[in-house]
Amino acid sequence: QSVLTQPPSASGTPGQRVTISCSGSSSNIGSNYVYWYQQLPGTAPKLLIYRNNQRPSGVPDRFSGSKSGTSASLAISGLRSEDEADYYCAAWDDSLSGALFGGGTKLTVL
Amino acid sequence: EVQLVESGGGVVRPGGSLRLSCAASGFTFDDYGMSWVRQAPGKGLEWVSGINWNGGSTGYADSVKGRFTISRDNAKNSLYLQMNSLRAEDTALYHCARVYCGGDCYFDAFDIWGQGTMVTVSS
Repeated sequence: QSVLTQPPSASGTPGQRVTISCSGSSSNIGSNYVYWYQQLPGTAPKLLIYRNNQRPSGVPDRFSGSKSGTSASLAISGLRSEDEADYYCAAWDDSLSGALFGGGTKLTVL
Repeated sequence: EVQLVESGGGVVRPGGSLRLSCAASGFTFDDYGMSWVRQAPGKGLEWVSGINWNGGSTGYADSVKGRFTISRDNAKNSLYLQMNSLRAEDTALYHCARVYCGGDCYFDAFDIWGQGTMVTVSS
């Protein structure tokens, strides 16, 4: 069981705004940056958000990240069919001296 | 083109060893820390190990500490993962990933990923 907790699934219709949560603790999200990755079926993960809310070049501004206390969220606005994928949060954990990934959220576009 | 290509995966018996390699191209390899991330079939991502630009700083997940060793050869633009005492639970697709922060770290954004090499531990 991951120390970073994500809902196993989320869904939305095209054009809708969806959010995916990532809950941690003071030793990880509470004191370190959060990262988000998108994994399309059969492909390697892709960096979506880094250092809580920064977007790499090439990532549409429909994707945004935020952090508050020991929780973080990924928001996707203007949902598209191609957004259907697995989404993972990640953070460093000071207690473990290691990196953690959330269990992943499977996003379905209805 | 910036690229990471893993190799060395295969089928190995419990207790056996395997050495994975990751060949980097398209960027200055020794400007970056690197990490290994694995994904068991049908499961989520798990960070395995990381190394800074010159190998002077390394880190491991508790699940592999004492069994796996990460290393790099900057002259060959290559990253390695020596895996010993393999267990069934080590069965996974192993990705190498470039660490965004630059050289002197092994965890930050993983901005470039390889496609992975599959390791199967089975008797």
